[in-house]
Amino acid sequence: ETGVTQTPRHLVMGMTNKKSLKCEQHLGHNAMYWYKQSAKKPLELMFVYSLEERVENNSVPSRFSPECPNSSHLFLHLHTLQPEDSALYLCASSQDRGDTTDTQYFGPGTRLTVL
Amino acid sequence: GIQVEQSPPDLILQEGANSTLRCNFSDSVNNLQWFHQNPWGQLINLFYIPSGTKQNGRLSATTVATERYSLLYISSSQTTDSGVYFCAVDRFSGGYNKLIFGAGTRLAVHP
Repeated sequence: ETGVTQTPRHLVMGMTNKKSLKCEQHLGHNAMYWYKQSAKKPLELMFVYSLEERVENNSVPSRFSPECPNSSHLFLHLHTLQPEDSALYLCASSQDRGDTTDTQYFGPGTRLTVL
Repeated sequence: GIQVEQSPPDLILQEGANSTLRCNFSDSVNNLQWFHQNPWGQLINLFYIPSGTKQNGRLSATTVATERYSLLYISSSQTTDSGVYFCAVDRFSGGYNKLIFGAGTRLAVHP
């Protein structure tokens, strides 16, 4: 599916680096999500933005900082990460109609390695 | 919070075989989705199925919401079916939808 794109696809960074992950959706959706997928763990929801406003933050450490400048773009700014933050970071979007019929569509993910 | 359990955790099939994957959830949900994650990490929507039965080619899914389970059927499996299959339930709260994922079933189809 090419409706949701993520860059970069792979990222290796040191613990003192600052980097950003980018997500862009081309589906006209108004809600965007960041998920973290660690080895041998279920996908974990990190952040939810609806109409560019953050509506959920699942106790994520402050070294992860999201930004949603408009309904098509979502960023995840990273700084002073730890090796245990190495994971696949997935972005998703959906049409938040304010009812129960929402379907989320996922990007290909960014595989992050923290050295 | 709601619990989502998938079984089996791992499954090995010979090409051409059929299989059934199960998803149990601990509370009522508004909706349920099945995803396939390919070896490159891409999550592909398979079904959006709050109740009833849907079919798409060799795949079909059935959700019995009153009994809190869903089944994914794969018939005549192919090597390209390999990957991880996730069930995710959808609880509508606070004005937006929040997917809660199971741990997945890892499927390997051998030629």
